[in-house]
Amino acid sequence: SYVLTQPPSVSVAPGQTAKITCGGNRIGDKSVHWYQQKPGQAPVLVVCDNTDRPSGIPERFSGSNSGNTVTLTISEVEAGDEADYYCQVWDSSTDHPNWVFGGGTKLTVL
Amino acid sequence: EVQLVESGGGLVQPGRSLRLSCAASGFTFDHFAIHWVRQAPGKGLEWVSGISWKGGRIGYADSVKGRFSVSRDNAKKSLYLQMNSLRSEDTALYHCAKGRYGDYERDAFDIWGQGTMVTVSS
Repeated sequence: SYVLTQPPSVSVAPGQTAKITCGGNRIGDKSVHWYQQKPGQAPVLVVCDNTDRPSGIPERFSGSNSGNTVTLTISEVEAGDEADYYCQVWDSSTDHPNWVFGGGTKLTVL
Repeated sequence: EVQLVESGGGLVQPGRSLRLSCAASGFTFDHFAIHWVRQAPGKGLEWVSGISWKGGRIGYADSVKGRFSVSRDNAKKSLYLQMNSLRSEDTALYHCAKGRYGDYERDAFDIWGQGTMVTVSS
C-alpha cells in the first residue's frame, strides 16, 4: 500500500516560516491535499491540489510539489497555527484504490 | 451554514453491529461525494469509505471491506455507515466529510463534521 511520510514534529518561533514535508513514491505525479487539525476540533482543508488555497484560508499557507517531496509552508507563523497537519493523496496505483493520509506533523509554536 | 452532524456512536461489544448517521445542511447534498474518516484516540486520520454523489460509486479501506457498508439518502440529505463484526481496532472518532465534487476519488474533503465516537469493548 502507498505510504506518505511526514516528520512527527516541527517547531518554529512566532513570525518565522514553518515547512512541513510529505514524502511518497512518485508523489510528484499526484495531487496532494493538506489539512489542519487543532486539538478537539475537526480537520480543516488548508491546501488542495498541491497549491490551491480554499476560500477563507490565509495567504500565509501555501503548498508546493516537486519530485518526491511535497511541502506545506506557513509564513509568519502565529500561535493560532499550532496544530497537527496531515497530507493526503488518492492512490490508484494498486488494485484497491483508496485515500491515504500521512501520519501527521505536530506544529509547535515556540 | 454548511454543516455535517454525525450521530449513532456509542459503546458496543466486539462482534456486534452499529449504524452511524451523518446529517447535512447548508449545501446541495446530492451534488457532492461524502466520506467517512476515522481517528483512533491519539492517532492520525484514516479514510474508511467514500460514496459518489448519486451513490453509484463506492469505495472502502481494506481494513473495513466486507464488514462496513456505506449508503446515502439524498432526499433526507443523510449519509450512513453500517458497521458489522466490529473489532477493538475499530474504536475511533468517526467523521463524515464532504468532497469538493461529485466523485469520491481525487478531490479533497472541504467540510468535516465533529465526529461521533465508537468504542468497541467487552
